[in-house]
Amino acid sequence: QVQLQESGPGLVKPSDTLSLTCAVSGYSISSGYYWGWIRQPPGKGLEWIASISHRGNTYHNPSLKSRVTTSIDTSENQFSLRLSSVTAADTAVYYCVRVDDIWGQGTMVTVSS
Amino acid sequence: DVVMTQSPLSLPVTLGQPASISCRSSQGLVWSDGDIYLNWFQQRPGQSPRRLIYKVSNRDSGVPDRFSGSGSGTDFTLKISRVEAEDVGLYYCMQGTHWPHTFGQGTKLEIK
Repeated sequence: QVQLQESGPGLVKPSDTLSLTCAVSGYSISSGYYWGWIRQPPGKGLEWIASISHRGNTYHNPSLKSRVTTSIDTSENQFSLRLSSVTAADTAVYYCVRVDDIWGQGTMVTVSS
Repeated sequence: DVVMTQSPLSLPVTLGQPASISCRSSQGLVWSDGDIYLNWFQQRPGQSPRRLIYKVSNRDSGVPDRFSGSGSGTDFTLKISRVEAEDVGLYYCMQGTHWPHTFGQGTKLEIK
C-alpha cells in the first residue's frame, strides 16, 4: 500500500522560506511517476504548486514565479518543496501527491509572525 | 491557465436520488497521446481529496459503481446514480493535460 506523509514546520514567519518533505512508503519513487505538491487555503479550493518526476524533471506553477524549488531524493525515497518569501496568502494545507492518484494526509502551514 | 468551471456549486440531494455535477474547461483537454486527462476528486469533511474518476470515465479501485464520469471536448459530468450519506462532501474536477494543472471551484454535496 502506497502512503505519503508530509512533514515540516506548522508555523513560518513572513518573508521566510517554507520547507516541506514528503516521505513515500510502499513504492520506490525511482520506479516512475510524477510527484507533486498541492495546497488548499482555509475554506478555499485546490491549487497545484509543482510536480517533479523521478528523474528530476520539474513543473512549477507560474503563479508562484521563482519562489518555488522542488527536489527529489531517491535514496531516501522522498521529495521536497521550498517556497521562499512567504506571506499570509501562503497559509494553507499542503498536500503531497503521487500524480495524481494518491494523496498524503496534508499538513497545515500558517504564515504569521 | 485552463479555467475549470463547475456547476452547481451547491447540490442538496435526497438520499437515494441521483446527482449530477458539470465541469467545463476553457480549452480542449486532449493530450498528445490522445487521452483526456480529466479527473474527479471527492473530499469528505476533514479528509484529503480522493480520486474517484480518471481520464474522464475510468473509476479508481474501490470506488462504488454508482459513480460514473462522462464527457468530451470541453464538457464533462460526474454522476452519482443513488446518493448515500457517505457521499457528503466536496467534489472537484481537475485537468491534468495542460500545465499548470487546474481544479474546478468545487461542488458541495449535502443531504436534504
